[in-house]
Amino acid sequence: GAGVSQSPSNKVTEKGKDVELRCDPISGHTALYWYRQSLGQGLEFLIYFQGNSAPDKSGLPSDRFSAERTGGSVSTLTIQRTQQEDSAVYLCASSSRDIYYGYTFGSGTRLTVV
Amino acid sequence: AQSVSQHNHHVILSEAASLELGCNYSYGGTVNLFWYVQYPGQHLQLLLKYFSGDPLVKGIKGFEAEFIKSKFSFNLRKPSVQWSDTAEYFCAVSKAAVNKLTFGGGTRVLVKP
Repeated sequence: GAGVSQSPSNKVTEKGKDVELRCDPISGHTALYWYRQSLGQGLEFLIYFQGNSAPDKSGLPSDRFSAERTGGSVSTLTIQRTQQEDSAVYLCASSSRDIYYGYTFGSGTRLTVV
Repeated sequence: AQSVSQHNHHVILSEAASLELGCNYSYGGTVNLFWYVQYPGQHLQLLLKYFSGDPLVKGIKGFEAEFIKSKFSFNLRKPSVQWSDTAEYFCAVSKAAVNKLTFGGGTRVLVKP
């Protein structure tokens, strides 16, 4: 597609439930990134994919968080047993192999854990 | 660990005023530098970037930024702001040849008409 697409745009879930967030990057972009933006905070790096592999997952806050990417395209971020502190906007971005053009961001998924 | 600092969290100014937002980073090697902007209700967009060459880079909408290597800084400027510049601005840094961006905490700018 023309841009990075994320779904759902909003998600309200009960504490303890699992959620899946989806990111569809720009076609041909080999790199895909997940960031988290909490209220009043900057962008917190979560994980980076190059193709289907994740050379850097250092930002995942706990083992409740996992992500995968299939076919070098769509990525899913899964949060198990959600907690209230997981409430944030989860942003996905993609880039070509060369970062010269920077990232293209999606509109994000606003996750609210109640 | 590499870090990026934006010292101003909130800036309020009137139209036609000049704007300068500070950005400092901690990494001592070769870096690539970016400014992103997030307008209300919109997604993050690239404003400008520096990779090499002239340390004064010009971006969209009249913005420019100056890379001062000795100060580890990449400050964003605009000589005369407009109400439409109301947004949150993020500085970001990557190590050369590394795709991962580290972002600053952001600066919310409110331009009063």
